[in-house]
Parts: sequence; C-alpha cells; structure tokens
Amino acid sequence: SAVISQKPSRDICQRGTSLTIQCQVDSQVTMMFWYRQQPGQSLTLIATANQGSEATYESGFVIDKFPISRPNLTFSTLTVSNMSPEDSSIYLCSVAVPEAFFGQGTRLTVV
Amino acid sequence: QKEVEQDPGPLSVPEGAIVSLNCTYSNSAFQYFMWYRQYSRKGPELLMYTYSSGNKEDGRFTAQVDKSSKYISLFIRDSQPSDSATYLCAMGNAGGTSYGKLTFGQGTILTVHP
Repeated sequence: SAVISQKPSRDICQRGTSLTIQCQVDSQVTMMFWYRQQPGQSLTLIATANQGSEATYESGFVIDKFPISRPNLTFSTLTVSNMSPEDSSIYLCSVAVPEAFFGQGTRLTVV
Repeated sequence: QKEVEQDPGPLSVPEGAIVSLNCTYSNSAFQYFMWYRQYSRKGPELLMYTYSSGNKEDGRFTAQVDKSSKYISLFIRDSQPSDSATYLCAMGNAGGTSYGKLTFGQGTILTVHP
C-alpha cells in the first residue's frame, strides 16, 4: 500500500487567482496521477506526472490551466491557474503500485 | 455511451441486508478492476482489487468479475450503517502508457438504515 498526504485539505479562492496543491507519498513511485471530482460526480483523470519528464494530459485538460511539477519520486504539485467557479471541485492525487491509492483530496471552492 | 456504467442509483437498505453493486464496461482492454468506498469529504479508499475473472472475497465483501460479459459486481453481506458511503468501480489497462490510469463509474450512494 501507499500513504499519500495532500495539502491543503481545502481552500476558498478568489476567481482569477491560482492555487498549488501538494502531494507527498511515503515511498518512491514512478508515476503519480491527478484526478478531479466535480460536485456530485465521479473521478476524472487530469494528467499523469512522471519524474524527469513533462506531465501527460488527458483530453480536455491543458498544461496552461493545470501545470504539474514532479521534482522527485515522492512528490508532485498541481496548480489550478486563473480559477473560475467552474474549477470548484475536489482534486485528488493517486499512485499505482499497481493498485491505485488516493490522497484525502483538496476541496477547492472558487468564489 | 460511457466507457463504464455503474448501477444502481442511490440505494437504501436495512441493516443486515445483502447489497449488490454493478458496473458494465465497453473497453475490452481493461485488465484490472477495483472497488472504492468514499465517505463524505474523504478520498476514495480501496476495497477490492482483482485482475482475473471470478470471485474474490475479503470479509463481508465479494468482488465478482466476468470479463466475457464485461461486467463486475461488488456484494456486501450483513451490511452495517458504517457501510453508508459512495461506492465507485474503477478499471484500468495495465499496458504501456495506460498503466495506472483509471476509468471510474458514476458511483452508487449507499445508505444502510439501523
């Protein structure tokens, strides 16, 4: 298994600003994944973060809006840029070892 | 058509009931299957994980996979009020660039009444 810590657990942000979410894993992993869970919805994959290379984004998600860093094998960040109310969601990071474990999520509200 | 369809919708059962949750999928490339439980304001918690067709049991939980029919199920025996949560099926393809990427069902909200 893997223990994943996310910060912050929640935030309320003004539209037009950016928020960076941190994800720390208790073991080294090759790939980390970022998901979004919109209110009342299931999880949708945003991107895959590999250490030492650019993140790969799923259809409908772009680097300018969701830049990702992966400086080492235990840490990643996701930034939600130029936020609008439509970005209000829970953002979750995940690792696959191979079964997938999730952090507790970051509940973002954009006002 | 969504790649993964989950049913039933919101489910309310009395304590002690057997609960059956189901997902169908269209992508035959899916090779591994998981069930998650998500309590309100928490991240998904892995309940069951399997690669193969057949049944896998863990305590009160049984996961069933039928790859030929593209159908998976989760059974909860002797349901408890503490089982009240959203249950999500998820599946993925172990090959190449798809490794670790999951496609989720819509989720089933389960309420178990004392």
